[in-house]
Amino acid sequence: NAGVTQTPKFQVLKTGQSMTLQCAQDMNHEYMSWYRQDPGMGLRLIHYSVGAGITDQGEVPNGYNVSRSTTEDFPLRLLSAAPSQTSVYFCASSYLRGGNTEAFFGQGTRLTVV
Amino acid sequence: GQQVMQIPQYQHVQEGEDFTTYCNSSTTLSNIQWYKQRPGGHPVFLIQLVKSGEVKKQKRLTFQFGEAKKNSSLHITATQTTDVGTYFCAGADNYGQNFVFGPGTRLSVLP
Repeated sequence: NAGVTQTPKFQVLKTGQSMTLQCAQDMNHEYMSWYRQDPGMGLRLIHYSVGAGITDQGEVPNGYNVSRSTTEDFPLRLLSAAPSQTSVYFCASSYLRGGNTEAFFGQGTRLTVV
Repeated sequence: GQQVMQIPQYQHVQEGEDFTTYCNSSTTLSNIQWYKQRPGGHPVFLIQLVKSGEVKKQKRLTFQFGEAKKNSSLHITATQTTDVGTYFCAGADNYGQNFVFGPGTRLSVLP
């Protein structure tokens, strides 16, 4: 099992560019989520999904879009990159069993917007 | 909205000393999880606590969930250099679906 796979690992963007961070899991988890991690602030939830075709906003959704066309994939799109989006991004997945369970995280994408 | 706080932000200990990090939520939680993140790595799940007053042990790690389900702690006995990293608590709301992460406690262990 590969677990949760994120690509790319590193990315540098210019202000105004768009890009998609990829996330795939092979554990048949219902719940998938995207977090950003900034120094001293822990992980903040951007968007999440409880199943294919269902997405919802987290704590910091502005400037990001997601879709969940399959159970396995949950890409995160930056529409027009801004320096404030410089961060480390983590994708995670888990089972929903009357509530959330252990989350498995991807290796992370370190994004710099210049 | 729900806020989760952790103290201390940093802790430096000598190898063999004990370490404790505390987690406090502004609201009652349905459950709480703890994660460890090594420098340059990704968060790795340690444990989930669900019941009021619950205490769980994993070797040298002891986790507690408060009676009011608004606070939790992680205690490491006799730290080792392999314990280095940032420890995060994550509290779930009443639906138990989305987790709010605390800012983490960064642990350094001096050999």
